Parts: sequence; C-alpha cells; structure tokens
Amino acid sequence: ETGVTQTPRHLVMGMTNKKSLKCEQHLGHNAMYWYKQSAKKPLELMFVYNFKEQTENNSVPSRFSPECPNSSHLFLHLHTLQPEDSALYLCASSQGEDRGPEAFFGQGTRLTVV
Amino acid sequence: GQSLEQPSEVTAVEGAIVQINCTYQTSGFYGLSWYQQHDGGAPTFLSYNALDGLEETGRFSSFLSRSDSYGYLLLQELQMKDSASYFCAQTDSWGKLQFGAGTQVVVTP
Repeated sequence: ETGVTQTPRHLVMGMTNKKSLKCEQHLGHNAMYWYKQSAKKPLELMFVYNFKEQTENNSVPSRFSPECPNSSHLFLHLHTLQPEDSALYLCASSQGEDRGPEAFFGQGTRLTVV
Repeated sequence: GQSLEQPSEVTAVEGAIVQINCTYQTSGFYGLSWYQQHDGGAPTFLSYNALDGLEETGRFSSFLSRSDSYGYLLLQELQMKDSASYFCAQTDSWGKLQFGAGTQVVVTP
C-alpha cells in the first residue's frame, strides 16, 4: 500500500461510453500526475497538477479530461475513447516544489476499450 | 524521440550481480531516479541520484555521472523476488518524472 488509491482497478468500456477514473492520496503531497502505461512502452506522462493547478498537458487528446478538485483527489474523465487507448493508467503523487524526488504510485486502472 | 535509453531485458542467475545502464538527455535534468515494478503492481521508488557518485541502499546501488549523462542501477546478490521491470526516470526540479522504457530483469535458479 503506497498511500495512493485508484478506482476502479479494472474497467471495460465501449467507444461511446463516458467513464471516470479516480485517484486519492492522503500523503499531504502537492503534486499529482496521470501516467499511461502501454505494453513495451515507457510510462507516458499525461497530466501534471501542482497545488490543484494544471501545469502540464503532454499533447493528450481531448477525449481525456483531467480534474483536480483539491490536492488529495484527481480524476480522469474519459469519453469516446479508441481501442488504442487501452492501457494501464497510473496515478502518482509527490511533494513537488523540489521537496524530494520520490513519487508514490497507485495500483493503476487497467482500461480496455472495446 | 526517446529521452532515456536502457536495455530491454537482462537475465541472470540467483546470487549474481546485474547492472542496468541508463543514458539520458541533459535538457531540464535535475536528477535520476530508479523504480521497480512487478507484474500487475505499481512502480515503487528504489533510489535517487542528484550528484555524481554512488548511492547504496542495501543490495541495490545507483550511480550517476552528470558529465557522461549516464547512470546505472546495480542489483547485488540477486534473488528470485528481484524479477521485475526496472525503470530509470529523469526528474526536473519539481520532481516530475520522465521514464525510460524499462528493463525486464529475469532471475533464474
């Protein structure tokens, strides 16, 4: 248990569905991240939030929409996804602001788009 | 293109020593981290180097040479439970991580 909780652990959705992934941390961290992990590929950074403000969007398609209502919660809203979006989506948090390099990851959501 | 380069797979026997090399790009570089990920699990932090030299944490050590844009993770006294993927990750001053593709370490009896 890393202190970062993601739900759901598994999700199967159709291309016309709308779903949301949830991430929660109570580590007192100020930075939260969404990563995508596909087979045989590096973890791809999607979004970064520092103090609830989005500081990075790595050219992610608009069918992925993040939301950070407070420093403990992070959502990833999904709509009209494509089969190639099937992957493991990992949330992570860190102290941010040059207070240490360690990031804590959740167990991830295994997403399958059919 | 890929910013961090590491080998895709390494196989070794129990008790052996394995070194996983990682080269990175210097733009925005602040430090080099290493993470371990078992199948089906979350990446977990192993080690971090911001300065040149060796950091030792039990059986695992990490090394950084900023002048060579190069680092490595050294796994000693390999155990079966060390079979996993190992990622080097470049961090910026905010702790944002950019990962390499990972090295699959296979430990055999």
